[in-house]
Amino acid sequence: EAQVTQNPRYLITVTGKKLTVTCSQNMNHEYMSWYRQDPGLGLRQIYYSMNVEVTDKGDVPEGYKVSRKEKRNFPLILESPSPNQTSLYFCASSLRHSNQPQHFGDGTRLSIL
Amino acid sequence: GQNIDQPTEMTATEGAIVQINCTYQTSGFNGLFWYQQHAGEAPTFLSYNVLDGLEEKGRFSSFLSRSKGYSYLLLKELQMKDSASYLCAVRETNDYKLSFGAGTTVTVRA
Repeated sequence: EAQVTQNPRYLITVTGKKLTVTCSQNMNHEYMSWYRQDPGLGLRQIYYSMNVEVTDKGDVPEGYKVSRKEKRNFPLILESPSPNQTSLYFCASSLRHSNQPQHFGDGTRLSIL
Repeated sequence: GQNIDQPTEMTATEGAIVQINCTYQTSGFNGLFWYQQHAGEAPTFLSYNVLDGLEEKGRFSSFLSRSKGYSYLLLKELQMKDSASYLCAVRETNDYKLSFGAGTTVTVRA
């Protein structure tokens, strides 16, 4: 089954404790992206990647890191999480053509205390 | 960046029609997407417009006017399961980055 898989789905942690949210897709998509979704603000892009070893900042990259060592994986790293990073996070992927829709993972709800 | 506006909430009756408007201001344009998102779930793709005009897909239609920076999503014969948030997203020219509006929550009443 074609899908985007995120882990974990839920996480409660404390300020400053490094964490990684994994994202994997099995559709051989070139393009991958991370978003955060907050009430009233909609989906905001954190980072995106056009292909292996190519990453670019989105609208809200501060406090996050990503890597794209393999085509299928695009982990999101919070080196020193803070409470303002409490949010619902989505990973998405698509083929590298402008008319291709993005396929979203089921989301990761992060709470930073 | 892009400025994408859509109404926050809309309410309609089962069987009725609802039109969700989206306006955008961009320096470039390479397509507009509509997504549906049920509460607590991932967004799912509904429609794509890159040329002016109407695209119809069953009960859902989407319209685009590039000169006006305007799109709408039309939902016909509303069903209770259509209660969800509808997201307008614009793709910038020469960039696969997608910018999303804040979403419109549609509530369908019996």
